[in-house]
Amino acid sequence: GESVGLHLPTLSVQEGDNSIINCAYSNSASDYFIWYKQESGKGPQFIIDIRSNMDKRQGQRVTVLLNKTVKHLSLQIAATQPGDSAVYFCAENRNTGNQFYFGTGTSLTVIP
Amino acid sequence: EPEVTQTPSHQVTQMGQEVILRCVPISNHLYFYWYRQILGQKVEFLVSFYNNEISEKSEIFDDQFSVERPDGSNFTLKIRSTKLEDSAMYFCASSDPTEIQETQYFGPGTRLLVL
Repeated sequence: GESVGLHLPTLSVQEGDNSIINCAYSNSASDYFIWYKQESGKGPQFIIDIRSNMDKRQGQRVTVLLNKTVKHLSLQIAATQPGDSAVYFCAENRNTGNQFYFGTGTSLTVIP
Repeated sequence: EPEVTQTPSHQVTQMGQEVILRCVPISNHLYFYWYRQILGQKVEFLVSFYNNEISEKSEIFDDQFSVERPDGSNFTLKIRSTKLEDSAMYFCASSDPTEIQETQYFGPGTRLLVL
């Protein structure tokens, strides 16, 4: 029968290369964004966040870019390692409360 | 590093039975949340809880669901009469309202299977 569920975008990168994962968000009123990493069988793990008054934020090996004009968020991972293999979700807070709206996710595979 | 914990890690139940999923949020956090993730689908918000009451809930969180903070450390999600479509991973999260932005920290989840 027909399978139900999302077909995750996938990204395969060579170990040591940089990865860029993209996310389109839906609500122009959203003012806070988080990137989460989810490994198989585990809960979402916070990676980095950004507020809407910024367009770039850097962490350790990760950078988040925010383009409010086109409602686009990206996560850049430098020198990708096998341990970075996971599904990455962006989540937006729409400034109407505490709930976050998650994107569909991108599956990143790092090839050793 | 403090973390959110959840029990059980897996729960199998018969349709129509009640289940209680348990969470211990990070100790100094005051906001608590339940999310669910049906296999292969997005993480979806269910409910948020603050100061001993529900602060927000989604359309998924109907009368079959309830939450409780029975003591100073636990936060529970009860499903009164489970349906097949309740099968999912259920994640608890917590946040600290004194942070400038309230990052939500997730537990490892409980995988619920309704037969």
